[in-house]
Amino acid sequence: DQQVKQNSPSLSVQEGRISILNCDYTNSMFDYFLWYKKYPAEGPTFLISISSIKDKNEDGRFTVFLNKSAKHLSLHIVPSQPGDSAVYFCAASANAGGTSYGKLTFGQGTILTVHP
Amino acid sequence: GAVVSQHPSRVICKSGTSVKIECRSLDFQATTMFWYRQFPKQSLMLMATSNEGSKATYEQGVEKDKFLINHASLTLSTLTVTSAHPEDSSFYICSANAGLALRTMTDTQYFGPGTRLTVL
Repeated sequence: DQQVKQNSPSLSVQEGRISILNCDYTNSMFDYFLWYKKYPAEGPTFLISISSIKDKNEDGRFTVFLNKSAKHLSLHIVPSQPGDSAVYFCAASANAGGTSYGKLTFGQGTILTVHP
Repeated sequence: GAVVSQHPSRVICKSGTSVKIECRSLDFQATTMFWYRQFPKQSLMLMATSNEGSKATYEQGVEKDKFLINHASLTLSTLTVTSAHPEDSSFYICSANAGLALRTMTDTQYFGPGTRLTVL
C-alpha cells in the first residue's frame, strides 16, 4: 500500500511563477515530513522539512504547508526558476520523535519543469 | 552540507556474481545508514536500516541473505548483492543520518549519489 502519495506525476510552470507540489499520506503515525529534490542518476537532496507540531515552515523560496486533518502537505516554490527543474519527492517518518532519524517512506515523485 | 559518497557509481555484472556497494559519510559520523532501491519512474523503497556494530534491520519482503549489509564503522556501510540476477538491476541509494543540523535544528538524512546496477 502506498502510504505517501504524490498524485501528480508532473508539473510545468513558467519562470517567476509559483510551483505548488502536493503530497497526501494515509498513516496517521507520521510525525515528520520532508521534501527532497532529485536529478537523474543522483541521490535526493534535502530541501525542507516540517514537524507535525507545525503547519508551516519557510526557508527562502521554499515553503512547506502541513494540513494534518486532511493528511496533506504541499511545497510552494516562489519564484520558480529553471534550475528548480527536477523530480521532487515528499517523504514521511513515523514515531521518530519529530525527527527524520527513523526510516522514511517516499512518495512516487513529481517531475517539475520550469520554463524560461 | 554533509557529504555521502557511494562506490561504484555504476556496475555491470554477469548473472550469478556478487556485487559490493560502499556507502561512506565523508565529513561526519553516522550511527545509522539506510539502503534504498529505486526502479525507473518509481519511488525510493527502503530496503534496510544499517546500524553501526549491529545487524541490519530489513524491510518486509527484502531477502537478508541476498542483500548482505555490513556497517563496520561510523563512516562506512556496505551492501552486497549476492548471486545477482537481472531482476536485481536497479538504482541503489544509501543515506546517512547526520544528527542534529545546527542551521535547521533538525535531524536530516543525507543521500549518496546512488549506484546503478545492471545484471546481464
